[in-house]
Amino acid sequence: NAGVTQTPKFQVLKTGQSMTLQCAQDMNHNSMYWYRQDPGMGLRLIYYSASEGTTDKGEVPNGYNVSRLNKREFSLRLESAAPSQTSVYFCASSSGPIPNIQYFGAGTRLSVL
Amino acid sequence: EDKVVQSPLSLVVHEGDTVTLNCSYEVTNFRSLLWYKQEKKAPTFLFMLTSSGIEKKSGRLSSILDKKELSSILNITATQTGDSAIYLCAVEQGGKLIFGQGTELSVKP
Repeated sequence: NAGVTQTPKFQVLKTGQSMTLQCAQDMNHNSMYWYRQDPGMGLRLIYYSASEGTTDKGEVPNGYNVSRLNKREFSLRLESAAPSQTSVYFCASSSGPIPNIQYFGAGTRLSVL
Repeated sequence: EDKVVQSPLSLVVHEGDTVTLNCSYEVTNFRSLLWYKQEKKAPTFLFMLTSSGIEKKSGRLSSILDKKELSSILNITATQTGDSAIYLCAVEQGGKLIFGQGTELSVKP
């Protein structure tokens, strides 16, 4: 019972480098989400995909792009990493939107130097 | 602007104490409020409260929704060191969850 799987778990980038964070879920969920978590700020939504083939911006989308590759997979891309993107990134999925009980992956800790 | 505010931001108690965590919200078209527990890694789901289910209980944890006061509380009785975690409150709005800042609970032996 894998649930939501994120790769990689850790990553260090230099300013200006690009990378893609991968997320896959095996619960046949329709909706998927990307969040970032910074100290004292809870979880902030970057992008989400309510269903396969759709994506929408969340609260903090600048500097990111996403791809809903299929129903299982939702990737997050940083085209030109900046130190302000140092954070812990979580992917989540839900059968939702109603009820919107989201299940989270273990997170990716990203440092941009 | 929709927002969710939790208090306190951090709390230190001793094993056996009872704690109450607070969550208040200003969200249009409220549908549900969720509580999550976050230990080292991923947040894990605890409760969902709605207009038709304003009180939930699981073991030593319980939660109540007050729609009139636009708030919720999470109670933990007879705390244990394993309850140490960040507790997150979120409100569903327009197919998304809006999270509060979290309350960091530390339970000392």
